[in-house]
Amino acid sequence: NAGVMQNPRHLVRRRGQEARLRCSPMKGHSHVYWYRQLPEEGLKFMVYLQKENIIDESGMPKERFSAEFPKEGPSILRIQQVVRGDSAAYFCASSRTGLSNQPQHFGDGTRLSIL
Amino acid sequence: AQTVTQSQPEMSVQEAETVTLSCTYDTSENNYYLFWYKQPPSRQMILVIRQEAYKQQNATENRFSVNFQKAAKSFSLKISDSQLGDTAMYFCAFMTSFQGGSEKLVFGKGTKLTVNP
Repeated sequence: NAGVMQNPRHLVRRRGQEARLRCSPMKGHSHVYWYRQLPEEGLKFMVYLQKENIIDESGMPKERFSAEFPKEGPSILRIQQVVRGDSAAYFCASSRTGLSNQPQHFGDGTRLSIL
Repeated sequence: AQTVTQSQPEMSVQEAETVTLSCTYDTSENNYYLFWYKQPPSRQMILVIRQEAYKQQNATENRFSVNFQKAAKSFSLKISDSQLGDTAMYFCAFMTSFQGGSEKLVFGKGTKLTVNP
């Protein structure tokens, strides 16, 4: 029973390029959450999606960041025109119902490095 | 806004001894969930233990237990018989209900625990 799968594990981009991070939730889970962890910090919520819908994007920067969770395929976190400050670990979590009585299961994260 | 505070950036303990990690939180909600996550050097996020606010009984998972004081908004983690594999960052987290039913986790900044042989 595969857990939350994130790829790539490590991603290196130059300033100005685009970064695409992928997340496949656990089987049977239709709720996906993205969190960002800056160095020496805890995780910060970015966005919560259900299939084809963004439910809460209150933690997403207003520019350059977008997320989707299509009907088929993984959830994608997209960062356009990356800057040094985007260097961080990006974690995806999934849950079965999105309700607080269901725990969120985390992937191993994608470490994004901006040169 | 909900906040989670971990006042101990780093702690150390000798193998086989007991250590307690502190966490306080601030919320105006009455029903919520609290979590402790472990992040070892491999940087995975591993759920250690979960507490439901409406339950008075403290949660326990093998060597891990919590001391949940709802009135004081305190949620400490006790690790008994510490093992070398317990060396990790430990994050306290609060699950909030947001308008529209978005249950997102709010994390503290973490406590780096080192278990010494």
